Amino acid sequence: QKEVEQDPGPLSVPEGAIVSLNCTYSNSAFQYFMWYRQYSRKGPELLMYTYSSGNKEDGRFTAQVDKSSKYISLFIRDSQPSDSATYLCAMSGPSNAGGTSYGKLTFGQGTILTVHP
Amino acid sequence: DAGVTQSPTHLIKTRGQQVTLRCSPKSGHDTVSWYQQALGQGPQFIFQYYEEEERQRGNFPDRFSGHQFPNYSSELNVNALLLGDSALYLCASSLWQWSEAFFGQGTRLTVV
Repeated sequence: QKEVEQDPGPLSVPEGAIVSLNCTYSNSAFQYFMWYRQYSRKGPELLMYTYSSGNKEDGRFTAQVDKSSKYISLFIRDSQPSDSATYLCAMSGPSNAGGTSYGKLTFGQGTILTVHP
Repeated sequence: DAGVTQSPTHLIKTRGQQVTLRCSPKSGHDTVSWYQQALGQGPQFIFQYYEEEERQRGNFPDRFSGHQFPNYSSELNVNALLLGDSALYLCASSLWQWSEAFFGQGTRLTVV
C-alpha cells in the first residue's frame, strides 16, 4: 500500500464548476500538507500549504485537512480552462533519523484535471 | 527574485553513461532536495542536502549521488545510466526544518 493515495482521474468538468480533489494517507507522522499544480512538461507549482486540521482559503482555492481521517482535499471554485493541469498532493513529517528536517515530501500520483469551456 | 533554476532543460544520454544535473535554489533558501518523476507518476524523493551534507535519502541506489556547494547550489550525478532512469528530475529548495518547498522546471533526461 502506498503512503499517499490519490485518484489519477482523469477528471473533466465544465467551466465554472466546483472541483474536488482528494488524497488519503496512511502515515500518521505526516504534519504538513501541500497541493501543487503541474502543467505539462513543467515543474510543480506550490498552491496551498497547510499544517493543522481545518480549512485554508486562498482566492478560488480551499484546502481542507482532516487528520483524524487521514484525508485531505482541495476545492477549486469557479474553475477556469487555465486550471487544466495535474494536481499533486504532498505531505511531510519528521525525518526518519529523528531530526528536525521536514524536507522529504511524499507525493500522491497526481490527478489530471481538464476544464472545458 | 529568481526562483529555482535547473540546467540543462533536456538531456539525451546513452545507457551506461554518466550525467550531471544542476540546480540553483531560490534566493534565501539553504536546503536542496532532488526528486525523480516518471511519466504519469508523482515525484519520488531522491535525497536532500543541507550544509553541504546529504541529510536524508530516499530508496535510490548508490548510482545516484549529489553535492551541495557553499553557495547552496547543488548537483545530482547518476552513474551507469539505465533505460529506467529516463524521467523528469526536479530540484526543490526550502529552508532547513521547513517543508514548504519550491520546485524548478525540471530536467528531462532520456536514456537510449
